[in-house]
Amino acid sequence: DTAVSQTPKYLVTQMGNDKSIKCEQNLGHDTMYWYKQDSKKFLKIMFSYNNKELIINETVPNRFSPKSPDKAHLNLHINSLELGDSAVYFCASSQVSGGRAEAFFGQGTRLTVV
Amino acid sequence: AQSVTQPDIHITVSEGASLELRCNYSYGATPYLFWYVQSPGQGLQLLLKYFSGDTLVQGIKGFEAEFKRSQSSFNLRKPSVHWSDAAEYFCAVGAGTNAGKSTFGDGTTLTVKP
Repeated sequence: DTAVSQTPKYLVTQMGNDKSIKCEQNLGHDTMYWYKQDSKKFLKIMFSYNNKELIINETVPNRFSPKSPDKAHLNLHINSLELGDSAVYFCASSQVSGGRAEAFFGQGTRLTVV
Repeated sequence: AQSVTQPDIHITVSEGASLELRCNYSYGATPYLFWYVQSPGQGLQLLLKYFSGDTLVQGIKGFEAEFKRSQSSFNLRKPSVHWSDAAEYFCAVGAGTNAGKSTFGDGTTLTVKP
């Protein structure tokens, strides 16, 4: 079983559309994340979320919003897509309580906005 | 704020040669340090981590890294590189109990010559 799974793997869409990327983890972790990797492969955290706290990277446009129906899922919803949103988006999870929390990553979703 | 610097954007080594990838971090207390590998088109896989204790840590795939507090470094090493090691390597630093919310370096691309 894949520990952290994202769907879809590839997403091509037009500017102005709204889209969602789904993420599920079966590791029983308490915290989930979304990272963005740009064309230069720079990796930046967008959101960190557990059932108590949502931490938003201040550089993330408010067109991006995480939605968590339960502890095992953290979906990423993007409104009014722009060309600059094209990137690879990674979901990750970790077990923060206990203090030893490396992140486990999904395979990524390559988003292309045309 | 924590930060990570990977001074080498791109490194080329011959198969069978030794490898060292550099990582320098900035953090006020003892950090949680990680090395991840990203193969083309794939997500990130944890190679090894340092939380405390022995400063030389062993990871998967024959990699090791040494934490040197005096130099604020966590360099990754492998004695003999295989062609399959060609990938992008990311050093990351986590802080406090939420080590999953890591700050990543900009990555080092490793090319392996036959």
